[in-house]
Amino acid sequence: KNEVEQSPQNLTAQEGEFITINCSYSVGISALHWLQQHPGGGIVSLFMLSSGKKKHGRLIATINIQEKHSSLHITASHPRDSAVYICAVSMRDDKIIFGKGTRLHILP
Amino acid sequence: DAGITQSPRHKVTETGTPVTLRCHQTENHRYMYWYRQDPGHGLRLIHYSYGVKDTDKGEVSDGYSVSRSKTEDFLLTLESATSSQTSVYFCANNRTGNTGELFFGEGSRLTVL
Repeated sequence: KNEVEQSPQNLTAQEGEFITINCSYSVGISALHWLQQHPGGGIVSLFMLSSGKKKHGRLIATINIQEKHSSLHITASHPRDSAVYICAVSMRDDKIIFGKGTRLHILP
Repeated sequence: DAGITQSPRHKVTETGTPVTLRCHQTENHRYMYWYRQDPGHGLRLIHYSYGVKDTDKGEVSDGYSVSRSKTEDFLLTLESATSSQTSVYFCANNRTGNTGELFFGEGSRLTVL
């Protein structure tokens, strides 16, 4: 059974800080997803990656397949980045397993 | 955006009553999923579908059934709702299964009294 662990569970930072959220998983996967959920809101996909690194605006996602680890970075963080960030992994049997999320709060 | 709509968005019902949640997609993606989201837990898979009439159980399938009679609709049924099924339910889809980007509906908040 694959376990998906995220750290930290909660993170509070000042506007402008560089943010890193980590995700570790235990077995082989087909792809890894980073998702964002605003309070009371829906869930949107930020990245899907199976190797290397992807960048979209101020967000960067990396994955190390050998170490079974991924990171989500936010540069020049802003209060509107406050949300829950969720890591999920796609298994080879088409199931998707989710981490419990990291709650990020950016203070102005 | 894969054009997913869920209905109803909010529902309050009583223990023992049947409840059906509907997920409708406009993009005809092959894979569709039902998840529940509860405090202290990640999203947990209830059931998923990999095609019309092709469904499989997830990790928390007890007390739930699903049907997919056409590509665009995936129904989740609670035959006899219990208070432990109070949750927020999300439908999701993707085009290619384990290598596809995920798209989510807005969620359906169900309260079982």
